[in-house]
Amino acid sequence: AQRVTQPEKLLSVFKGAPVELKCNYSYSGSPELFWYVQYSRQRLQLLLRHISRESIKGFTADLNKGETSFHLKKPFAQEEDSAMYYCARPNAGNNRKLIWGLGTSLAVNP
Amino acid sequence: GAVVSQHPSWVICKSGTSVKIECRSLDFQATTMFWYRQFPKQSLMLMATSNEGSKATYEQGVEKDKFLINHASLTLSTLTVTSAHPEDSSFYICSALDRVGGQETQYFGPGTRLLVL
Repeated sequence: AQRVTQPEKLLSVFKGAPVELKCNYSYSGSPELFWYVQYSRQRLQLLLRHISRESIKGFTADLNKGETSFHLKKPFAQEEDSAMYYCARPNAGNNRKLIWGLGTSLAVNP
Repeated sequence: GAVVSQHPSWVICKSGTSVKIECRSLDFQATTMFWYRQFPKQSLMLMATSNEGSKATYEQGVEKDKFLINHASLTLSTLTVTSAHPEDSSFYICSALDRVGGQETQYFGPGTRLLVL
């Protein structure tokens, strides 16, 4: 079965500290991977996708096929980064649904 | 661009009644939409995939007669919770799939909070 694993349910860091949210996926060819973010009382929104290789709000994520990981990183966390972060990948079948991790709640403390 | 709306944003109903939730893609056409449930401080649970002009595909364990999905146009999908009971109280979220330049992205609605008394 295809899986996306986010091992940390909660991650708490201080402002200015580096942060890494972990995501591992079960291997299935060349995956497409996403990070979505949900700020308090807001809708879920796409943060970044690995194909774009871009940095959004200071976050980056590198696909490591050897480790089947797609960890989300930011060198200096800000309080406004506090949110729920979800890693996801498309289902390998014809259905275009996403397979979701359970999410990591990031708390950035002042 | 790529905005998805949901209506209503919240609804309270009596047990046994049916509730319809609308999901609209406002500035793009979506042949595929998705319906999720989200429990407090938990991940998204996909309920079904809504396909324009055809029957929805339900995830295992989701009762299709309980959660009726209609996707009659390229911008609208509806979820009807039939004969709602208190255990159906939840946060229901829809998303719409946008395809641009060979890339697919799910855009999410703001969610509908349902409370069944």
